[in-house]
Amino acid sequence: DTAVSQTPKYLVTQMGNDKSIKCEQNLGHDTMYWYKQDSKKFLKIMFSYNNKELIINETVPNRFSPKSPDKAHLNLHINSLELGDSAVYFCASSPNFDGKETQYFGPGTRLLVL
Amino acid sequence: GDSVTQMEGPVTLSEEAFLTINCTYTATGYPSLFWYVQYPGEGLQLLLKATKADDKGSNKGFEATYRKETTSFHLEKGSVQVSDSAVYFCALSTGNAGNMLTFGGGTRLMVKP
Repeated sequence: DTAVSQTPKYLVTQMGNDKSIKCEQNLGHDTMYWYKQDSKKFLKIMFSYNNKELIINETVPNRFSPKSPDKAHLNLHINSLELGDSAVYFCASSPNFDGKETQYFGPGTRLLVL
Repeated sequence: GDSVTQMEGPVTLSEEAFLTINCTYTATGYPSLFWYVQYPGEGLQLLLKATKADDKGSNKGFEATYRKETTSFHLEKGSVQVSDSAVYFCALSTGNAGNMLTFGGGTRLMVKP
C-alpha cells in the first residue's frame, strides 16, 4: 500500500492554464506539506497544513493555493501557470507539527509548462 | 533564517570506497537534523535522523552524528555500493513555522563498479 500518493505523475500543460495536483496519505497523519524541486534538484517548502491551520512560505506566489477536503488529502491548485512553474512537486506528511517527526514523501508530480 | 549547506556534487567513488558528504547548518533554536535520499525518478526517503546534540543516526551502513559545537551533520559510509548511487539531501526542522523542512542543495553520489 502506498503511504503518500500523488496524481498525476506527469502533467504537461500550456501557459495560462489552471491545474490541480492531488495528494492523499493513508498514514493517519495530521500534517501535510507541499514542496517544489527545481531543475537543479533544489527543494523548497511551499506549504504546511495541520488541522485547518495553513502555514505559507512567504515566497510562494498567491497563484498557488492548497485545498484540504479532509485530513488525508491536501491538493495543490495552481492558477495562470507560468513557464517558471515547471518543476517536480512533492507532497509529504508527518504525524504532527513536531520538528522531530519524519516526513514521508510522495513519488512526485512532474509539471511541464509550455 | 535557517539554512543548510552541503558539499556540491557530483561525488564519484569506486565500489567499497569510503564516503563522506559534509553538511553544516544555521538555525534558531535546537533543530532536528535529517538525511534524505532520492533515487532516480523517485521521491525522497528518510535515510537517518538525529534529534539532539551528540545523537548518532544510522541506517543501511550510513551514519551521521549531530555536532552542535560545529553545527554539522556529516554523512558517512564505510563501503559504498553501486546501489547507493542517488542524490542525498541534508535537512533540518525546528518545529517552528509549520514544521517545514529546510533542505541543503543535494549531493549526487555516483558509485562505479
